[in-house]
Amino acid sequence: DIQMTQSPASLSASLGETVTIECRASEDIYSNLAWYQQKPGNSPQLLIYDANSLADGVPSRFSGSGSGTQYSLKINSLQSEDVASYFCQQYNNYPWTFGGGTKLELK
Amino acid sequence: QVQLQQSGAELAKPGSSVKISCKASGYTFTSYYISWIKQTTGQGLEYIGYINTGSGGTNYNEKFKGKATLTVDKSSSTAFMQLSSLTPDDSAVYYCASGGFAYWGQGTLVTVSS
Repeated sequence: DIQMTQSPASLSASLGETVTIECRASEDIYSNLAWYQQKPGNSPQLLIYDANSLADGVPSRFSGSGSGTQYSLKINSLQSEDVASYFCQQYNNYPWTFGGGTKLELK
Repeated sequence: QVQLQQSGAELAKPGSSVKISCKASGYTFTSYYISWIKQTTGQGLEYIGYINTGSGGTNYNEKFKGKATLTVDKSSSTAFMQLSSLTPDDSAVYYCASGGFAYWGQGTLVTVSS
C-alpha cells in the first residue's frame, strides 16, 4: 500500500496568516490526490481533487499544488472557520490511503 | 441536494455482527459507487472498499476482507456494510461516501464492548 505522510501533525497560526500543509507519498501518485477538511463531530469535506482542482463551493483561499510524491495544501488569509483537521488521500493505487492528518488551531 | 443518511450508533458485543446502512438521495443512485471508510483516533482514516451500485460488484481493501461485506438495495437507494466477528479494534466511526468522495454520510459510531 502507498504510505501518505503528512506534516506537520499539528499547526498553530494567526488569523490572516498563510498556512501550508505538506503530504508526501511513498511513490509517485501522478497527482491523484485529494485534500479534506474535517471539523470536530463532522464528516470530512472534500476541498481539493486531482492535486489542484477546487471542489464545488470551496473558498478560493484554499489551493493545492504538487506532483510526483510531494503535495501541499495552502490556506491564504486564515479564517476562524478554517480551524479543523486536514487530511490528504491518494487514489492512484488501490487501496486508496490517507495521510495521518494535520490539526490546525488558532494562535 | 445529495444526501447520504447513515443508520444510528451501534453497541455490539465481541464476536457479534452489525449492519450499517447508507441511504442516498438527491441523485440517481446508480450514478456513483459507494465507498466505506473507517475512522479511529489511533489509526486515522482507513479505506474499507467500494461497491458498484449498479452491478453490486465489490472491491475490498485486503485488510478488510472477511471483516466487511458490502451490499446494495437499488430499490431503496441504500448501501449496507456488515461487519462480522467484531472485536474492540472494530470500534470506530464508519462513513459511507459517494460521488468521488464529494459526498459523505454523517458517520455511524460502532462500539464493541462486553
